[in-house]
Amino acid sequence: AQTVTQSQPEMSVQEAETVTLSCTYDTSESDYYLFWYKQPPSRQMILVIRQEAYKQQNATENRFSVNFQKAAKSFSLKISDSQLGDAAMYFCAYRIRDNTDKLIFGTGTRLQVFP
Amino acid sequence: SAVISQKPSRDICQRGTSLTIQCQVDSQVTMMFWYRQQPGQSLTLIATANQGSEATYESGFVIDKFPISRPNLTFSTLTVSNMSPEDSSIYLCSVGTGDRVTQYFGPGTRLTVL
Repeated sequence: AQTVTQSQPEMSVQEAETVTLSCTYDTSESDYYLFWYKQPPSRQMILVIRQEAYKQQNATENRFSVNFQKAAKSFSLKISDSQLGDAAMYFCAYRIRDNTDKLIFGTGTRLQVFP
Repeated sequence: SAVISQKPSRDICQRGTSLTIQCQVDSQVTMMFWYRQQPGQSLTLIATANQGSEATYESGFVIDKFPISRPNLTFSTLTVSNMSPEDSSIYLCSVGTGDRVTQYFGPGTRLTVL
């Protein structure tokens, strides 16, 4: 069975600094997708970034980038120039490339940003 | 992406009662999903709702407890039946749009059962 592990329950970062959130996953599949979602206190789940497993290039979205290591089954999120609005729960998620569209979520990392 | 709304945004209910949560999308989508997020926990998929067919439930979730309707391509409801305090959670609906790879989430319904 596929599993997603986030080993950092909480992280903190100073405003304008860089922070990296870790995620590892377990799967026997070769074709899948990985996501990072952000959940602020408003509880709305917001897509931060996604990565297709068949792409070697790491995805980037403005201040957010990933380090995708397929062999190591690792998918970390780097947030550069952290802002107060980045404070939230961050969830790593996995889905297999099939017709079920099912997402499997990690346990989340709470990110605090200090001014 | 899609614009997704949920009603109610929050509710406090008595044990033994039922609550129906609505999810409305601003575009037609094939698949809609219902998740539960227990306090301080991650999201767990309850079921997948396809229009015109019975919902597909995940292990640990049954139709009698969480009946789902999907009358058209923009709307779905989830009912939490015979509630107990253990049902206190955030319930979120999501949809896949465009290439169906990414899921977009509604704002969630915070349910408290006394």
